[in-house]
Amino acid sequence: SQTIHQWPATLVQPVGSPLSLECTVEGTSNPNLYWYRQAAGRGLQLLFYSVGIGQISSEVPQNLSASRPQDRQFILSSKKLLLSDSGFYLCAITPRARGSPLHFGNGTRLTVT
Amino acid sequence: GQQVMQIPQYQHVQEGEDFTTYCNSSTTLSNIQWYKQRPGGHPVFLIQLVKSGEVKKQKRLTFQFGEAKKNSSLHITATQTTDVGTYFCAGRAGEAGSYQLTFGKGTKLSVIP
Repeated sequence: SQTIHQWPATLVQPVGSPLSLECTVEGTSNPNLYWYRQAAGRGLQLLFYSVGIGQISSEVPQNLSASRPQDRQFILSSKKLLLSDSGFYLCAITPRARGSPLHFGNGTRLTVT
Repeated sequence: GQQVMQIPQYQHVQEGEDFTTYCNSSTTLSNIQWYKQRPGGHPVFLIQLVKSGEVKKQKRLTFQFGEAKKNSSLHITATQTTDVGTYFCAGRAGEAGSYQLTFGKGTKLSVIP
């Protein structure tokens, strides 16, 4: 079965500092990969998705970026964090078959101070 | 763009009472998915509805997809403390295999023992 590794679980970063969150997947090949953000008390916002190595689609313009250097590795980055970047960041996957449900990682709670 | 509205935002019930959350989309959906997020956890997929008027049951949970495929509901009979969490609907518009899922803001359920 597929496993999603996401770390760290919690992170406190000062405003203006860089960010790198990594998500790796086991147990599946060629998955579709997603980064979602959940602000406190709000729904899930899709930030990026990827259908293959080096292929990134951005859903919301912001100071975040994503990369997929390997088939089962998805990285979320920022050069300079803003206070508004605080939230719960979730990596998710779906198998290649379209319309499949999302499977989420355990997430990273980011607080920008 | 597509919007998915979910009500109520919060619901407090006595253990044993029933609970319902409603989801309405601004556009016709190809399918709708439901997720549950326990406090401090990540969303977990519950079910997917595809057909107009479809009704599915999982033990005490009943899921419905409207005839027009623009609304859905989740009903829990005789709530238990294990039902505590936030329930999200997520709608997929356009072709059934499109990558974009739009999440509602969720209904946070509290169960008073």
